[in-house]
Parts: sequence; structure tokens; C-alpha cells
Amino acid sequence: QSALTQPASVSGSPGQSITISCAGTSDDIGSHDLVSWYQQYPGKAPKLIIFEVSQRPSGVSVRFSASKSGNTASLSISGLQAEDEADYYCCSYVGSTTSVVFGGGTKVTVL
Amino acid sequence: EVQLQESGGGLVQPGRSLRLSCAASGFTVGAYAMHWVRQVPGKGLEWVSTITWAGGFIAYADSVRGRFATSRDNAKKYLYLQMNDLRPDDTAFYYCAKDSLHSVSGALDSWGPGTLVSVSS
Repeated sequence: QSALTQPASVSGSPGQSITISCAGTSDDIGSHDLVSWYQQYPGKAPKLIIFEVSQRPSGVSVRFSASKSGNTASLSISGLQAEDEADYYCCSYVGSTTSVVFGGGTKVTVL
Repeated sequence: EVQLQESGGGLVQPGRSLRLSCAASGFTVGAYAMHWVRQVPGKGLEWVSTITWAGGFIAYADSVRGRFATSRDNAKKYLYLQMNDLRPDDTAFYYCAKDSLHSVSGALDSWGPGTLVSVSS
């Protein structure tokens, strides 16, 4: 049950686009399309922003997009805004154990 | 509106037990898998346990297997986490979360505000 691998931090200026990677294995990300992403502000519970690799829940900004290639998933934020400054976590279903694994988290800083 | 509210956290000595509860409302509780996720203050999310919609399948992280037990009472709309033989490294905020499916998808679409468990002598 090793955590998925994310960069510790990513930064960008307002209006720019950034991408956060999430590296897994053939046992998790690489074996199905059940990858999700969460946004978390300090002192708050996480919020689902992407499910099934690239689907946005109702109400989530279209500036958030995501994809997957092989064992790696990616989250992109376009038109970076101050409100995007938060921690972001990827998550994958693990079919062999019917469980879930999270990434270590990425702190996004808006310069 | 979906609402989840954890309770039962607090300060406990190493080796003791604690039972967390999660009250659910605003959705058909018995139709969805549920999860426990924890977070050490200032650190990342760690999946703890998952229980399918009817409780027929329960999975645990290696770090808690054999010490923690997850159960649910769909009639009362509650999820539980029985934590035994607690260790200092179990200190964390514990969140209950709702899956988007009755089985397990990993898409946790609703979360409670969390309850803090502190294990210390």
C-alpha cells in the first residue's frame, strides 16, 4: 500500500497554468480509470474536484482538468487564481485489495 | 444536502480503545460504500478503512489491520470505527467519507469535518 507519488509543491503566477503529476503503478492507476483528485484548504475537509480520471463534479470550475497516461495521472489548473492556493491530493482505487490509496499531496502556491 | 458528522475523538493513553461514530444524513445511507481517512496535522491523507454498502466487505490499511474494526448501521444511519490498542502514531484527524458508489470507486464525494484523536500518555 505505497502512497502515490506527487511533487511536494507547485507554484505559478495568477493567470498561468500548472500541472500536478501523480505517479502510481500497474496495480492502481494503471489498471483502471478510478482516479480522483481532492482540494483541501487548511483546517478544512478535502473536497472532490475530479473523479473517474477526468470528470468534474457539479459546481467545480472548468479551470480544473485531469487526465491519465499509463501509471501516471495529472491534474491541471488553468487561469490560476489566488483561491486555488491549497493542497491537492490524488487518489486511486486498488482493485487487488478493494481499497484506496492517496498521494502524498501537493501544495499549490499562487505567486 | 448530504451531511456527515464524526464524533468520539479525544485524548487517550497508548494501548487504550476509542470508538468513533459518523452520523449520516441527506442521502440513502445504505446505498453507498463508506470510508475512514485520517490525517496527521500538517501531513497528508491516509486511507484507513472501507466498508461496502451492506457491510459485506471491509478493507483496512496495513497500519491498522487487526486493531481497528469498521462497521455500519444503515437503519440508524451511522458508521463506526472501533480503534483498539491505540498507538501514538494513530494521532490524527479522522474523517468519514461517502463513496459515490455502493461498491468502492475511490471517489469520495462527501466528507465530514473530522474528529481529532490524540494518543499520548
